[in-house]
Amino acid sequence: AQSVSQHNHHVILSEAASLELGCNYSYGGTVNLFWYVQYPGQHLQLLLKYFSGDPLVKGIKGFEAEFIKSKFSFNLRKPSVQWSDTAEYFCAVISMDSNYQLIWGAGTKLIIKP
Amino acid sequence: DTAVSQTPKYLVTQMGNDKSIKCEQNLGHDTMYWYKQDSKKFLKIMFSYNNKELIINETVPNRFSPKSPDKAHLNLHINSLELGDSAVYFCASSASGRGGYEQFFGPGTRLTVL
Repeated sequence: AQSVSQHNHHVILSEAASLELGCNYSYGGTVNLFWYVQYPGQHLQLLLKYFSGDPLVKGIKGFEAEFIKSKFSFNLRKPSVQWSDTAEYFCAVISMDSNYQLIWGAGTKLIIKP
Repeated sequence: DTAVSQTPKYLVTQMGNDKSIKCEQNLGHDTMYWYKQDSKKFLKIMFSYNNKELIINETVPNRFSPKSPDKAHLNLHINSLELGDSAVYFCASSASGRGGYEQFFGPGTRLTVL
């Protein structure tokens, strides 16, 4: 069965630091990849997604992610974080193996110190 | 112009009671979902309906019963509520087919069982 791993459960950074959150998945075939964000007390919102084409995907609020097929990875990056980026970040994958249902990572709690 | 709406936003009730949560989407999607998010923020798919038909029914106690009167609505009824049912329940919707499967989430219903 397909799985999604987010290696960092908690990340604490200072404002202006660079961010990279790891996401690895287990399926070797064609995948669609997503990063969602959940701000405190709010619902999940899509940050960015990859379906095909350029493996470097740009999302909202200055976030980007790179799909590296050989590493089964889709890491999320931001060059300079802000206090308002404090949130929970979820990686998710869809594939034929998952019967086209989203498989979710466990989430990474990001805390930005002002 | 809310895309996915849920009611109520907060629900506080006693053990043993029966309660319902309603979900509606105005995106024209034909697939809807219920997720449970526990206190550790872990997202667990409970049910998925496509065109009013149940397509995912994860290991969920049969006290939980989804009902989809039409493609735009997916309600969740819970019988004999237990303390462990306390969580945030999210409804989501997506378009089926190869349109990207991006899921749009409702604001969540925070259920507290006393």
